[in-house]
Amino acid sequence: KAGVTQTPRYLIKTRGQQVTLSCSPISGHRSVSWYQQTPGQGLQFLFEYFSETQRNKGNFPGRFSGRQFSNSRSEMNVSTLELGDSALYLCASSLAGVEQYFGPGTRLTVT
Amino acid sequence: GESVGLHLPTLSVQEGDNSIINCAYSNSASDYFIWYKQESGKGPQFIIDIRSNMDKRQGQRVTVLLNKTVKHLSLQIAATQPGDSAVYFCAENGVEGTYKYIFGTGTRLKVLA
Repeated sequence: KAGVTQTPRYLIKTRGQQVTLSCSPISGHRSVSWYQQTPGQGLQFLFEYFSETQRNKGNFPGRFSGRQFSNSRSEMNVSTLELGDSALYLCASSLAGVEQYFGPGTRLTVT
Repeated sequence: GESVGLHLPTLSVQEGDNSIINCAYSNSASDYFIWYKQESGKGPQFIIDIRSNMDKRQGQRVTVLLNKTVKHLSLQIAATQPGDSAVYFCAENGVEGTYKYIFGTGTRLKVLA
């Protein structure tokens, strides 16, 4: 069974731009969660989608948004990028929320 | 790993010894806990989970212990191998029945040959 895939793996953007990251979950998994990982703050929960609905949300500003499609693939968008948004963005999938499996992440660098 | 804190607590163990990694969780309402392993340049890898109605769960070479009284989790790795070298995170679901995970800061495990 293929694992969680994330695209792109690396991205460089300029302050003020926006970015869209993509996550394809493990086949059959309906829950997709997004996390931000930085050396200073560690792993922080962004949001979780289940069957195309946002089920849980973390404490990030509205510039961070996401969506999930009917095939369970998910995207997250960050608008008006700031230097502090530089991080590894991780996606995790699960059948229903428990036992999450992570993808390799997208490394976003904002200059 | 490139994405992990530079100043994590580090546990160094000799190859073949047992390792014990500890984690204090934050929310007494959490009812589901997971241990993850993260190697350099990779996403976290699921190791083992435990629900709050249990105090111990065993997997292959790993055991998780849960002490709800003091909000403490531990991960025991038997016969530690060089491939176990990584950063280990505990995660809690934060609120009973939800999946809004809170991750600990992580512990770096170094296996000495």
